[in-house]
Amino acid sequence: GEDVEQSLFLSVREGDSSVINCTYTDSSSTYLYWYKQEPGAGLQLLTYIFSNMDMKQDQRLTVLLNKKDKHLSLRIADTQTGDSAIYFCAETPTGGGNKLTFGTGTQLKVEL
Amino acid sequence: DTGVSQDPRHKITKRGQNVTFRCDPISEHNRLYWYRQTLGQGPEFLTYFQNEAQLEKSRLLSDRFSAERPKGSFSTLEIQRTEQGDSAMYLCASSPLDQPQHFGDGTRLSIL
Repeated sequence: GEDVEQSLFLSVREGDSSVINCTYTDSSSTYLYWYKQEPGAGLQLLTYIFSNMDMKQDQRLTVLLNKKDKHLSLRIADTQTGDSAIYFCAETPTGGGNKLTFGTGTQLKVEL
Repeated sequence: DTGVSQDPRHKITKRGQNVTFRCDPISEHNRLYWYRQTLGQGPEFLTYFQNEAQLEKSRLLSDRFSAERPKGSFSTLEIQRTEQGDSAMYLCASSPLDQPQHFGDGTRLSIL
């Protein structure tokens, strides 16, 4: 079955890099996503990676995918206080109609 | 592009009442998804539409839950005979075919 796991909490200092990790179980996953959720709001799509890629960079964001270990990470360079939020990893299985299976989310706290 | 719009943002009702939520997707997105998010968890898939066809509803939580998208544009999610356990955030997302989903800000349901 589908299962996505994340650590619950991460605290970093402003200006440092943040690395949020995710593991998933469905080997048929086609796309893997990172979403950001601020308090009381919906989910904002940050970036996504196709399963045949191992890295994607988009400005301050770098996604690394280790398909063998079913491990996904999101690195945020030069973390700012505005990056404080909950970050969700999600995957879509092959033939799944693009429905998303989410992890429980990692709360990122950025301290001055 | 005004984004995915959900109404109302917050609904408070007494146990046993029926509630209906509305979602207006991004125009020309032919897929529309409903998710439920409880406190401290990631969103959980409920159902989705491609145009007006409901392609999967097996994840709807019980027969008290139903969703429609009669003209392939906006969608409604109805919960009949609400229970305490229905208290959650209900999120709507839309996407073009096999593209990343964009989420609305959700409807927060509180059952008294």
